[in-house]
Amino acid sequence: GAGVSQSPSNKVTEKGKDVELRCDPISGHTALYWYRQSLGQGLEFLIYFQGNSAPDKSGLPSDRFSAERTGGSVSTLTIQRTQQEDSAVYLCASSLELGSLRGDTQYFGPGTRLTVL
Amino acid sequence: SQQGEEDPQALSIQEGENATMNCSYKTSINNLQWYRQNSGRGLVHLILIRSNEREKHSGRLRVTLDTSKKSSSLLITASRAADTASYFCASDRNSGNTPLVFGKGTRLSVIA
Repeated sequence: GAGVSQSPSNKVTEKGKDVELRCDPISGHTALYWYRQSLGQGLEFLIYFQGNSAPDKSGLPSDRFSAERTGGSVSTLTIQRTQQEDSAVYLCASSLELGSLRGDTQYFGPGTRLTVL
Repeated sequence: SQQGEEDPQALSIQEGENATMNCSYKTSINNLQWYRQNSGRGLVHLILIRSNEREKHSGRLRVTLDTSKKSSSLLITASRAADTASYFCASDRNSGNTPLVFGKGTRLSVIA
């Protein structure tokens, strides 16, 4: 597609359930990023991928969060045993390269709004 | 930790006025970017300024960069109601392949 897509756009789940969020980056983009944004707040960086590799997972809020990327393309963010504080918009972005001196402009998807009841 | 910090956190102006938002960062950079976000959804890239540039224009946007003060400003001239959004600065870190660091954003309201 022309841009970054995310699915689902909205997800309502019950506390304790697992959820899987999907991100389809722009074709050819090697770097992919996940962020979380609570209502009215700034971006909380979660994790990034260079290709299929995630060099730094320290941004993930807890061990209930995991992410993977396969084939250098699609990425999934999985939250196990969801808690109410996990409610937020989860944003995915991709860029052509990571840390390029030309500027690794990020292209964002529309986000997934997660509500944990 | 967040490298970019914007101020003010919120700004409310009348249509036609200019809006100025500021951003500070902590470490040396290769470039700094500004993004816009409508209604809590995806961010959209507005403009990039390199560390060797002092000012850059794009339409009604003017960005300045002062590397000695580690600060940048975004000026929107002749604001319109449609400019109402949150604006974020994002800086890279001149220390290898690491992602951009986004600030907390400025919420701009332009009142018609």
